[in-house]
Amino acid sequence: GAGVSQSPRYKVAKRGQDVALRCDPISGHVSLFWYQQALGQGPEFLTYFQNEAQLDKSGLPSDRFFAERPEGSVSTLKIQRTQQEDSAVYLCASSLGSQDFSGNTIYFGEGSWLTVV
Amino acid sequence: SQQGEEDPQALSIQEGENATMNCSYKTSINNLQWYRQNSGRGLVHLILIRSNEREKHSGRLRVTLDTSKKSSSLLITASRAADTASYFCAKGVYGQNFVFGPGTRLSVLP
Repeated sequence: GAGVSQSPRYKVAKRGQDVALRCDPISGHVSLFWYQQALGQGPEFLTYFQNEAQLDKSGLPSDRFFAERPEGSVSTLKIQRTQQEDSAVYLCASSLGSQDFSGNTIYFGEGSWLTVV
Repeated sequence: SQQGEEDPQALSIQEGENATMNCSYKTSINNLQWYRQNSGRGLVHLILIRSNEREKHSGRLRVTLDTSKKSSSLLITASRAADTASYFCAKGVYGQNFVFGPGTRLSVLP
């Protein structure tokens, strides 16, 4: 596709429910990032993939959070036993190159808005 | 923290005025990127400036980078109501993930 696509756009989950958020990066992009953004705050890094390898998951807030990118394209962020504090926008981003920060632009999706009630 | 900070946190100006937002950081960077986020939307990339560059332009946007002061500024000239959004800078450091600041919320009043 032309841009990074995320689904669902909005999700309301009952506390304790598991949720899965999907990200379709721009075709051919090597790097894929997940960020969490609370209302009124900047995005906070969750995890990074280079192709199918999860090279950094230091930002995942707990073991209830799990991400995968099995074929190096589509990624899924799974949150188990959701809690109210998980309510946030989950942003996926991709870039063409690897994590070398030599000037690769990162492109963001519209985000998945999660509300846990 | 190596997280840079944008200032001001909020800025309100009249349409047609210029808006300047600043971003500071603590560690050396490879590049710095500015993003815009409209309410309820994702982040839109505006400009990337590399550590060996001092100024870049894109339409009504001008970004400067002063590595000696570890700061960058985003200038929006002749602002429009449609420029109302939150603006974030993200610092690119080799081997580390992009770190975003809390952003500047810009309101352009008609």
